[in-house]
Amino acid sequence: NAGVTQTPKFQVLKTGQSMTLQCAQDMNHNSMYWYRQDPGMGLRLIYYSASEGTTDKGEVPNGYNVSRLNKREFSLRLESAAPSQTSVYFCASSELAPANYGYTFGSGTRLTVV
Amino acid sequence: ILNVEQSPQSLHVQEGDSTNFTCSFPSSNFYALHWYRWETAKSPEALFVMTLNGDEKKKGRISATLNTKEGYSYLYIKGSQPEDSATYLCAFHTGFQKLVFGTGTRLLVSP
Repeated sequence: NAGVTQTPKFQVLKTGQSMTLQCAQDMNHNSMYWYRQDPGMGLRLIYYSASEGTTDKGEVPNGYNVSRLNKREFSLRLESAAPSQTSVYFCASSELAPANYGYTFGSGTRLTVV
Repeated sequence: ILNVEQSPQSLHVQEGDSTNFTCSFPSSNFYALHWYRWETAKSPEALFVMTLNGDEKKKGRISATLNTKEGYSYLYIKGSQPEDSATYLCAFHTGFQKLVFGTGTRLLVSP
């Protein structure tokens, strides 16, 4: 059982380049999320999708866009990468009401912007 | 901005020691409190989701308690083993499809 699959695992970008981080889940979860992890800081929410067809900004959305392609897939796009976006990115999914189940996380994408 | 604080930041214990850490969160608009275990080079895994004041959850040697009135939760590990070494995250859920994470407690258990 794959759970949440993120690609790529590692990426190096030059400032100004664009890229899309892919995320797919096979648990039939309604809600999906993108977080970033920086040293000394907790996981911070970038964007989330409560259900298919909806997306909303989280705590740190600037510089990012998202697409909920279908129930399984939720992608994160950096249009013009900046060094401040160097981070580890995690995708997660949950039931619509996650109180009883918690989030399931992908294995992360380590992104370096030079 | 919601603030979730965890203490201590890091902890180094010997195999067999029992230990505990704290998560503090806002006592208003409470929906749920999550605990996750995060091993190095892996992704966070859910340990417990707690929703009611006075909740106690247990999984093997790990247990957690919840006090929503005063805004704290404790995670206990009894008889720590080297495989318990990980970062333990708590996260506060307000019911708006968003979890706010603490920065975690990094536990190292030496044989």
